Amino acid sequence: QKEVEQNSGPLSVPEGAIASLNCTYSDRGSQSFFWYRQYSGKSPELIMFIYSNGDKEDGRFTAQLNKASQYVSLLIRDSQPSDSATYLCAVTPNSGYALNFGKGTSLLVTP
Amino acid sequence: EAGVAQSPRYKIIEKRQSVAFWCNPISGHATLYWYQQILGQGPKLLIQFQNNGVVDDSQLPKDRFSAERLKGVDSTLKIQPAKLEDSAVYLCASSLGGSQPQHFGDGTRLSIL
Repeated sequence: QKEVEQNSGPLSVPEGAIASLNCTYSDRGSQSFFWYRQYSGKSPELIMFIYSNGDKEDGRFTAQLNKASQYVSLLIRDSQPSDSATYLCAVTPNSGYALNFGKGTSLLVTP
Repeated sequence: EAGVAQSPRYKIIEKRQSVAFWCNPISGHATLYWYQQILGQGPKLLIQFQNNGVVDDSQLPKDRFSAERLKGVDSTLKIQPAKLEDSAVYLCASSLGGSQPQHFGDGTRLSIL
């Protein structure tokens, strides 16, 4: 089973700051990368996806991918208390499209 | 657009009993996935369907778990007999296929006594 690693946190940032969430993966052939947000007791909600090296921005969220370093990150600008949740990094393997998930990073945005 | 529908939302059973979960994917989504999420972990794939065919069931404990998607739309996941270690949230997800993003239902929270 190929691994997806995330720091479990909690990562605590003040309101209005930038939150940086990181993820590394072991399958060098991985092609697709996803970030899901999961509130306590709820199901994962798609936030961002990225397929190519570089940055992809959507509102306050930016996903960054570096395939050479096998590293994907999520930046949340102007963090709000409502961003407090667990963020799951998910990666598709070299063959197939089922997602391999990390354990998630817990983010706490303090007012 | 309606999302992925799952039922029931909660289920409590005793060990060795059987249980079934139902999923209706987003309309037009050919690919359907069942994941198991244990508390504190990320979701883990149990089975993937493409239309009504199984693509990947390598991580499905086939001695007790079964799943079907007979008409290529709705799917059911069954556990028989249940073990204490099966306590988890069972998530259904669907996508248009390929590397397209997967969208999750609300899940079924299963507790085994």
